[in-house]
Amino acid sequence: DQQVKQNSPSLSVQEGRISILNCDYTNSMFDYFLWYKKYPAEGPTFLISISSIKDKNEDGRFTVFLNKSAKHLSLHIVPSQPGDSAVYFCAASYGGSQGNLIFGKGTKLSVKP
Amino acid sequence: NAGVMQNPRHLVRRRGQEARLRCSPMKGHSHVYWYRQLPEEGLKFMVYLQKENIIDESGMPKERFSAEFPKEGPSILRIQQVVRGDSAAYFCASSPGVGGEGYTFGSGTRLTVV
Repeated sequence: DQQVKQNSPSLSVQEGRISILNCDYTNSMFDYFLWYKKYPAEGPTFLISISSIKDKNEDGRFTVFLNKSAKHLSLHIVPSQPGDSAVYFCAASYGGSQGNLIFGKGTKLSVKP
Repeated sequence: NAGVMQNPRHLVRRRGQEARLRCSPMKGHSHVYWYRQLPEEGLKFMVYLQKENIIDESGMPKERFSAEFPKEGPSILRIQQVVRGDSAAYFCASSPGVGGEGYTFGSGTRLTVV
């Protein structure tokens, strides 16, 4: 009963091109979504978030899009850089969850020079 | 300006032993969350604590696992009588208040049960 799904375990992109990471969710009560980036042997690092009242949030090279009707969100990285190579986790929470996050399984992004 | 400190980084225990994982939150953070990551899986919420209180332990296994966050000192996740299935990376996060954006994660403790 995975509530947050990242169906692509891996993604390979050429440096300078766009990386698009996808995430689907099933729980319509989720009202806050986050993306985390994780390097090996380190903890996840917060990247960008979006509230359910918005459909887009942008921060530098990173943009998150939310499609509530499709219960789908995506993270766009443009242009992609080799240092972006990491595992990206999508996470969600709702008002009653007291900040507990539901994570997807992650997508490993490889950006090739 | 230390972040969330977890120790040990690596812990090896034999089946049946106890494992103690420590987490010192960031300065000024009074909320601590513990997550577990099994191989090839995402992080799974275990427990949420504030000083001297367990707020939500809905993700904790019913037996052998316990957590505390005393008035002084780090938060401790204790696993009694460890089994092979407990082998995982355990991450602690702290935040100044409720909400994921304010989370700062530690580097994790990798528990291996042999």
